[in-house]
Amino acid sequence: KNQVEQSPQSLIILEGKNCTLQCNYTVSPFSNLRWYKQDTGRGPVSLTIMTFSENTKSNGRYTATLDADTKQSSLHITASQLSDSASYICVVTGLPSGGSYIPTFGRGTSLIVHP
Amino acid sequence: GAGVSQSPSNKVTEKGKDVELRCDPISGHTALYWYRQSLGQGLEFLIYFQGNSAPDKSGLPSDRFSAERTGGSVSTLTIQRTQQEDSAVYLCASSYIGISTANYGYTFGSGTRLTVV
Repeated sequence: KNQVEQSPQSLIILEGKNCTLQCNYTVSPFSNLRWYKQDTGRGPVSLTIMTFSENTKSNGRYTATLDADTKQSSLHITASQLSDSASYICVVTGLPSGGSYIPTFGRGTSLIVHP
Repeated sequence: GAGVSQSPSNKVTEKGKDVELRCDPISGHTALYWYRQSLGQGLEFLIYFQGNSAPDKSGLPSDRFSAERTGGSVSTLTIQRTQQEDSAVYLCASSYIGISTANYGYTFGSGTRLTVV
């Protein structure tokens, strides 16, 4: 069964500090991995998308890494801001079954940035 | 439109009533997905449309749930005889094609928060 596990479940940090969120998956064969940011009351917004050949991808203060061998990904947030407070969701999509790609979602990490 | 539009944004209904949730995807997006997010839980896949057909309905939790899509555009998720456990945020997403490539991401709507009392 395809699974995506994220850790920690929740995280509280002070403004300006860095943090790293983890994502482990069992999806195989693997197509791509995405990190989404979901603000309270809003739909998820894509931060990064990586295929198996990509090891790292940055989007401003967000840097995602991928190790397709160990099936692990991390999202590093640098110099956190209050607006980074959100849920961060890891989404892994495998190769198609029956012609459709259906992603597997992690439960997310809830990040709170305090002033 | 510029984004995925869902309506209503909030819905409170009595147990046993039917509800309809609407999703208006980004123009030109052929694939449309419905997800459910219960409080404190991750996103749960419900159904996927490619054009007007639904090749994957495996996520629908019961036969009280149904969905349709017309004209390759607007989709409606219908929940009949609602139960309290149906309370959740229902999210819709669309993408250019049914294939989730690295170049084409999903765009999500803001969701419909359904509360069954």
